[in-house]
Amino acid sequence: EVQLVQSGVEVKKPGESLKISCKGSGYSFTSYWIGWVRQMPGKGLEWMGIIYPGDSDTKYSPSFQGQVSISADKSVSTAYLQWSSLKASDTAMYYCARLPGSRYSYYYMDVWGRGTSVTVS
Amino acid sequence: EIVLTQSPGTLSLSPGERATLSCRASQGVSSSHLAWYQQKPGQAPRLLIYGASSRATGIPDRFSGSGSGTDFTLTISRLDSEDFAVYYCQQFGSSHLTFGGGTKVEIK
Repeated sequence: EVQLVQSGVEVKKPGESLKISCKGSGYSFTSYWIGWVRQMPGKGLEWMGIIYPGDSDTKYSPSFQGQVSISADKSVSTAYLQWSSLKASDTAMYYCARLPGSRYSYYYMDVWGRGTSVTVS
Repeated sequence: EIVLTQSPGTLSLSPGERATLSCRASQGVSSSHLAWYQQKPGQAPRLLIYGASSRATGIPDRFSGSGSGTDFTLTISRLDSEDFAVYYCQQFGSSHLTFGGGTKVEIK
């Protein structure tokens, strides 16, 4: 079974750093893009960026470029989303999701993690 | 960046009725690059439709997608109690993805 398992709830203070994770299993982790999506409380879905674990090629939404860092460690089949200095406005649910297709075609997200809740206060 | 506008914001319908949800793009989108998702409270989104009209694995055939260019539609032929949720369209273009603002389908 294809699964993405995300790390647990985080409660942090403004200015702190944070790295959350998304571990893939049941498929070839290095052959599919992994994306991150933000959902602020009571709001819609926002695409943040994607990474291809095979070679760590990364693409960011203009809205999130410079605000977060996306990385992956293929040796443990895990993608990461990282902040160097959190703000209260980073409070949200963060989902990771797999993009099926190939290295050069990745149009939608077919398998989603259950989300990581981040509260900054 | 392509902007997706979903309408209506909220759709109030009864079980058994037909639901028609609209997703309009600010510029043309390839049909193969348009997807729809369902999200229920407290749950992650679930892929319903990809390539504008292909149902994802396990999705009932009461869900159908259509459209091309800048206008796309998700239709639920007969609403089941489990279909009351928020629906999002999503497109891919120029190495970026964007989501629409969502349509909430609520029980009338």
